[in-house]
Amino acid sequence: GQQVMQIPQYQHVQEGEDFTTYCNSSTTLSNIQWYKQRPGGHPVFLIQLVKSGEVKKQKRLTFQFGEAKKNSSLHITATQTTDVGTYFCAGEGDSNYQLIWGAGTKLIIKP
Amino acid sequence: EPEVTQTPSHQVTQMGQEVILRCVPISNHLYFYWYRQILGQKVEFLVSFYNNEISEKSEIFDDQFSVERPDGSNFTLKIRSTKLEDSAMYFCASSGTTWTGDNEKLFFGSGTQLSVL
Repeated sequence: GQQVMQIPQYQHVQEGEDFTTYCNSSTTLSNIQWYKQRPGGHPVFLIQLVKSGEVKKQKRLTFQFGEAKKNSSLHITATQTTDVGTYFCAGEGDSNYQLIWGAGTKLIIKP
Repeated sequence: EPEVTQTPSHQVTQMGQEVILRCVPISNHLYFYWYRQILGQKVEFLVSFYNNEISEKSEIFDDQFSVERPDGSNFTLKIRSTKLEDSAMYFCASSGTTWTGDNEKLFFGSGTQLSVL
């Protein structure tokens, strides 16, 4: 079945360093969404990408959707303590409407 | 901002017992979902519900699970005979004010932590 692989599982960074998480789908996606889950919290929608090659920015966050619509990335510039949490991608397949979730990347700020 | 509410926040039950998890989706949303997340792991899709019927379900959503929208506001998940491996955080979500054929962003509730002993 359709799978979405997300790497890395964890990323430890110093505050002020950049962070990137990557998602790869086994099949073409019609769109991809990104969510953030703070520790002990619930997933909160960040953004949806629909077009091939699309790039969207939200302040220090940059989201990309690959040309083939099979991969996506989230890049955070100059991380802050408020960025701590797990970032999930969730892709919608071409043939059904179910969102397939990546396993998440946990951003940890080193003390 | 409108929000999805879930009750209870924690539920402890004995193996083999039935549990009902309750959710009140955002009032003008049309699509409703249940997800679960075992501690520290990925978010797993269970079921989606639209127009008073299940639209999609995962392999996890077997005969022990059922969903219901008993009135215009509540959306429930029932587990008939709980197993130890059902212990997880269960999230309800809702989305969509119009039929677009595309997923719109999901609004999640705060979850119900189910512990099966």
